[in-house]
Order: sequence, then C-alpha cells, then structure tokens
Amino acid sequence: ETGVTQSPTHLIKTRGQQVTLRCSSQSGHNTVSWYQQALGQGPQFIFQYYREEENGRGNFPPRFSGLQFPNYSSELNVNALELDDSALYLCASSRGTGGGELFFGEGSRLTVL
Amino acid sequence: DQQVKQNSPSLSVQEGRISILNCDYTNSMFDYFLWYKKYPAEGPTFLISISSIKDKNEDGRFTVFLNKSAKHLSLHIVPSQPGDSAVYFCAASGLTNFGNEKLTFGTGTRLTIIP
Repeated sequence: ETGVTQSPTHLIKTRGQQVTLRCSSQSGHNTVSWYQQALGQGPQFIFQYYREEENGRGNFPPRFSGLQFPNYSSELNVNALELDDSALYLCASSRGTGGGELFFGEGSRLTVL
Repeated sequence: DQQVKQNSPSLSVQEGRISILNCDYTNSMFDYFLWYKKYPAEGPTFLISISSIKDKNEDGRFTVFLNKSAKHLSLHIVPSQPGDSAVYFCAASGLTNFGNEKLTFGTGTRLTIIP
C-alpha cells in the first residue's frame, strides 16, 4: 500500500512569487486535505478536496487555491507569496469526508524570502 | 482563537514511567478527538482516538481519557519508551463551512523520554 507522497520536500521562493505543491494520496483514498503548519504551531486546515471539488475551507485567503485530479492526487497553489506563508505544508488523505483518521505525507517546507 | 490548547510545550519523563499529555478544548460541538505523533522530517501519524460518547479508550500502552464536562482530554503512555520521544498533537473533529468534518489541532507537546 503506497502512502501519501508530497513534492517538493523543500523549496525557497521570494515575496510575490507563486508556488505549486503536489500530493499523491494513499491508494484507496478519495479525499485530500491540506494543512499549513507554521513554526511552533499545530497544523491549520486550509481546505479539503473530494471528487475534484473543494469541499470545505479554513480561514485562508483566496490566493490559496487547489485542485484535485481524477486519480485523487492534488495540488496546492499559493499566489502572491508573503513572508508569513513560510511554513510546512502537509497533505493528508482519507477515505471519505467524515472526520477521523487522516494519513499525512511528510510535508513540503516552503521558505519565503 | 485557539479552540484546542496544549498548554505544555514540552515534557520530560524517565523511561519506564508514565507520560501524561494534556489537552483542553473550547468548542462543545467537537465530537471526536484524536492524538497524532510526529517525528522530525515526517508527517504526523495517527496514534489513538476517542468518541465523545466514551470517556476512555485504550490501545496497548496508550490510553486516552475524555472529560466532557471539563472539556479536557489526556493521553497516558505506560510504560514510556525512548521511541516515544516525539511531538504529540491533540486534534478535534468539527464541521467545516460545507458541513463535512475537519480536524483542529493543538500546538503540540514535545515529549522527551530520558533513558
């Protein structure tokens, strides 16, 4: 059983640039959620994708957007990067949209200079 | 507004003793609670959970206790082992604006087991 994989693992961008992070869900999982973990904080819910549509969103501005593909993989896009966007971005997959156990990838660490 | 709080950023425990990690929440609509464990350079991994209809759930060395009236839960690890050294996150399940569930995490407690 293949786990959740994310790419890239580390990247550095400058303010105002755009970034795309990628996630492959665990086999058999049809739902992907994205979380942002700032230094010293717990993961914060960004949004969830189910059946290729956004299915719930946390308190993040519209410059955070996403996609889910027919194979359930997903992308997180962030436009007009700000310094405070520096964080670990975690992708989690699950079977269905109900609350419960999520399976996380190792994360993509974004640094904005 | 921190709806899930872990007030101890760190905890050190002797190997073989009991580790007790605490978590408080403010939202009475939370109905399911989970603990995740995170090693450096890895994503969080699920450890144990408890439904709001229960007050205790046990899995091997790990037991989670829920006190709904106090809005408090705790994770007990007995006996503690060096491999338990990690950051532990408490999480609560609640509804998103679409009516499905999402997890709200606490800020984590770094547990260090001293050999």
